[in-house]
Amino acid sequence: EVQLAESGGGLVQPGGSLRLSCEASGFTFSVYSMNWVRQVPGKGLEWISYISSSGATTYYADSVKGRFTISRDNAKNSVHLQMNTLRDEDTAVYYCTRGIVGRGDYWGQGTLVAVSS
Amino acid sequence: EILVTQSPGTLSSSPGERATLSCRASQDVSSTYVAWYQQRPGQAPRLLIYSASSRAPGIPDRFSGSGSGTDFNLTISRLEPEDFAVYYCQHSRAFGQGTKVDIK
Repeated sequence: EVQLAESGGGLVQPGGSLRLSCEASGFTFSVYSMNWVRQVPGKGLEWISYISSSGATTYYADSVKGRFTISRDNAKNSVHLQMNTLRDEDTAVYYCTRGIVGRGDYWGQGTLVAVSS
Repeated sequence: EILVTQSPGTLSSSPGERATLSCRASQDVSSTYVAWYQQRPGQAPRLLIYSASSRAPGIPDRFSGSGSGTDFNLTISRLEPEDFAVYYCQHSRAFGQGTKVDIK
């Protein structure tokens, strides 16, 4: 069974940093690209980052470019999102998803990031 | 930048009825990167349709996708109680704002 489990969310002050992790199981992680998608509670979905299966290619939404970094460890079946210089508007539930951009076939349950002073 | 617009914002229907949700891209797009998701309250989104018209594994055949170019549709042939939820259209990196299907 494919499972994705996010962790690392929490309360952080504006300007602070957090590192989110997503642990994958139930499939051959190293052959799949991965994404992070976020959702402000009660609002819509926003794609924010993609990483290819090897980690060689990454993409970012303009809203996070230069502040967030996606990475992966295929030996540990995990993908990470390093979030720096956090802003109030980064408050959201963050989901990791499997697959190419435009086809997230499995989603984790999400981890809540709250940016507030 | 391609924008994705969904309509209507809310669709009020009754169980057993047919529901058609629309998704429009701001320019011609490849169907390969068009997907539909369902999100129930308190849950993560679930992939229903990919490549505009291919049903994801385990998705009931009452869900179907169609369209090309700029206009895409998700049709639920007969609404079941568990289908009342929010539906999102995606093209590549862009999501639509969602259509809420609620009970009339």
